[in-house]
Amino acid sequence: QVQLRESGPGLVKPSQTLSLTCSVSGGSIISPDHYWTWIRQSPGTGLEWMGYIDYKGSNYYHPSLKSRVTMSVDTSKDQFSLSLASVTAADRALYFCARVFRGRSRVNPYHYFYYMDVWGRGTTVTVSS
Amino acid sequence: QSVLTQPPSVSGATGQRVTIGCTGSGFNIGAGHDVHWYQLLPETAPKLLIFNSNNRPSGVPDRFSASKSGASASLAITGLQAEDEGDYYCQSYDSGLNALVFGGGTKLTVL
Repeated sequence: QVQLRESGPGLVKPSQTLSLTCSVSGGSIISPDHYWTWIRQSPGTGLEWMGYIDYKGSNYYHPSLKSRVTMSVDTSKDQFSLSLASVTAADRALYFCARVFRGRSRVNPYHYFYYMDVWGRGTTVTVSS
Repeated sequence: QSVLTQPPSVSGATGQRVTIGCTGSGFNIGAGHDVHWYQLLPETAPKLLIFNSNNRPSGVPDRFSASKSGASASLAITGLQAEDEGDYYCQSYDSGLNALVFGGGTKLTVL
């Protein structure tokens, strides 16, 4: 059974870069059927999808974060990572990593569906000097 | 402001039935994109409850069901149990934003 675990500093200074790693266990990150994603939950708000990457390194980022987000993958370690540059207090959140299953809709063949079938427990990041 | 709209909270007594709504637009649910539902409980990893509008992953009890109509979707929980208390989120894809989008989440209280 695939499990995910986030790791990284819990405190980042304003204007610096937030870096988190997600370790995959119980399975391989090399999975043609899946993407690997980061999702965050800011205090008192809902979930925000940040982007995804596949095992080959192909990625897609949320348009609102595209200028600050970089994701990478290390297949030798079954890990993928998130870097978020120029952080501010607004980036304080609980950060989750998750596995995404993508498929083609049965109803509309031009549509793909994406859902997160495995999640980590999350890691809290605070932005403060 | 979340792209998908959910009620902030719902409540129900043990054994009762509750529903949680999720309203989108013509760019997401109304465009025919599938809806998925997640359960977030304290100190545990979020859990996929429903995928592709009305399918349950293995291990999710049939007390959980969902439906979709037009630009809206809903999650129904029957036979409420104390352990169901937590936050529930809907999720879909938005063609206008080209992004995965979530609802703002609904806090379920079991009385």
